This record gives sequence, C-alpha cells and structure tokens, in this order.
Amino acid sequence: GQNIDQPTEMTATEGAIVQINCTYQTSGFNGLFWYQQHAGEAPTFLSYNVLDGLEEKGRFSSFLSRSKGYSYLLLKELQMKDSASYLCAVMDSNYQLIWGAGTKLIIKP
Amino acid sequence: GAVVSQHPSRVICKSGTSVKIECRSLDFQATTMFWYRQFPKQSLMLMATSNEGSKATYEQGVEKDKFLINHASLTLSTLTVTSAHPEDSSFYICSARASGGAMETQYFGPGTRLLVL
Repeated sequence: GQNIDQPTEMTATEGAIVQINCTYQTSGFNGLFWYQQHAGEAPTFLSYNVLDGLEEKGRFSSFLSRSKGYSYLLLKELQMKDSASYLCAVMDSNYQLIWGAGTKLIIKP
Repeated sequence: GAVVSQHPSRVICKSGTSVKIECRSLDFQATTMFWYRQFPKQSLMLMATSNEGSKATYEQGVEKDKFLINHASLTLSTLTVTSAHPEDSSFYICSARASGGAMETQYFGPGTRLLVL
C-alpha cells in the first residue's frame, strides 16, 4: 500500500527553528509537496522537491532524500502566523497526490 | 495568476436536499480538476478526478450516483451532493491542473464548507 507518515503535532517557540519530518512509501514517485493549511482554509503551496537535496525559499526550506523515502520541512524564525497544519504529499506514478495526515504546528510566544 | 475559485464558500442545507458546488479556474484552462473531501483533523481525501468532456473517475468507496461531477468546460467543474445527509458534512476542496502545464502543478480552490442538518 501507499502511506505517508508525519508527526501529528509539534510545538515550537516564536523565533525558533522547527523541522517537520515526512517519510513515504508510494508506487512510483513524481515529486514531494509541502502545503500549509490554516484552520478552515484550503491548503496553500509551499514547496516541491523532485530531486535530492535542499530547496530554500525564504524562511522555509524543504529537503528530499529519495533513496530514504524521506523529506523534511524546515521553518526558521518562527512567527505566530506560522501556526497551522503542514501537509506532506507525494505524487505517485499516476501523477496522483497521496496525502499525509498533516502535522499541526503550535507556536508559543 | 493560477487562481481557482469555489462557490459557495459555505452552505447549510437540510437533510435530503441536493447541493451544487462550483469550481472555476479563473485565469487558466484546466483539463483536469480534482475533488477532495476533508473531515476535521484529517487529511485530504481524493474523491474523484474530473476530465473535461469525459466522465469523472471516482476513488474507491465514493458513490458516483451520490456525488455527481460535471466538467462541462475547461474552466468549470461542478460537484453535486445529492440527497445530502449529516454525514456528508465536510470541507470540500477542488484543485485544477492547467492544460499543457506540468503534471505536478495543481492549484487549489479556497474550499466549500458543507453542513447538513
């Protein structure tokens, strides 16, 4: 079967750094996505990795290791507005997105 | 660019009625649109894949006669929840893949929150 694993909930302090991990097992691989979803809203795109390595975009970075079936999203200089759920999704061989359950990130002052 | 809208954003209806949700790509043409459902504290669940001009492909466990999908044009797909029941209350989100665009690029609508009383 196909599955995406990520922690259910994480807590971090404003101004700090947090790393959200995602491991996956899918039938084929056409890239890994990270989305941010605030409560009651649709997901918004954060990053897309298809090759191994680190992609940096401002305060957010995403890393991928295809051989390990592993990715992480790194958030720096945390702000209160970063409190949200972060969804990891993998596009399989049929170009269908397989979604993780999401990691709820709680930022404390 | 690449904006997807959904209408309505929120709907409350009585049990047994039908509800139609529209998904529009505003500034691009979408050959393929996806319909998702998300229950509280759960991840997105793909309900169906809709291709313009052809029948939708439904995921296992999703009743095609209950969730009617029509993708009549390259900018509009509709999801009709027929004879809605309280268990259909959920957050429905569509996404669209641009025609001729990269296969990995999907743009999400803002979602429609359905409450069935």
